[in-house]
Amino acid sequence: DAGITQSPRHKVTETGTPVTLRCHQTENHRYMYWYRQDPGHGLRLIHYSYGVKDTDKGEVSDGYSVSRSKTEDFLLTLESATSSQTSVYFCAIRTGTGGYNEQFFGPGTRLTVL
Amino acid sequence: GDSVTQMEGPVTLSEEAFLTINCTYTATGYPSLFWYVQYPGEGLQLLLKATKADDKGSNKGFEATYRKETTSFHLEKGSVQVSDSAVYFCALSDPSAGGTSYGKLTFGQGTILTVHP
Repeated sequence: DAGITQSPRHKVTETGTPVTLRCHQTENHRYMYWYRQDPGHGLRLIHYSYGVKDTDKGEVSDGYSVSRSKTEDFLLTLESATSSQTSVYFCAIRTGTGGYNEQFFGPGTRLTVL
Repeated sequence: GDSVTQMEGPVTLSEEAFLTINCTYTATGYPSLFWYVQYPGEGLQLLLKATKADDKGSNKGFEATYRKETTSFHLEKGSVQVSDSAVYFCALSDPSAGGTSYGKLTFGQGTILTVHP
């Protein structure tokens, strides 16, 4: 167990409202990632972080922002939620070293935007 | 860019049948390859991995061999159980993606496996 929690686990919100999802790790890993999972698309990277205050965009970053003010927390914000952002969101940490760049995933947050 | 292609699903098998889920990849460097499994209502779990050509990853009766010549990493199991019903994802991490991109995973679209008693 890599010690990743996500909150909330489920959320229903309305179009146009801001939403923040939280990812918390207990093991002090440097790299953290946010993915979204949609049928037929697998997992797609939204944003990632390679250290405190160091973040970069993934392949589907439009409409999302992130922040990492301390090692253990990585926040994903939808500034103004849209129905296309209805998805399951997963946080992950990278635990591998050298060639073993494996990631461990949190339990996910199911977000519904009405 | 890097990409992963998995066989179309869903796959439905009877218990004790042989399983193969095909995975092929495109990468600029020499990637590490992974299979992840997602049980209903849960997050992804690492099932097995391989980091260089001809490596065989194995776990829980599942196996996959890194075939550089065919750019493939097919998942196999000799005798599936009902408890193997899940979604399976093939993924790669390309170390030639340097700097802060190092270690990012690229996923296939997932294959749904259902095993009937």
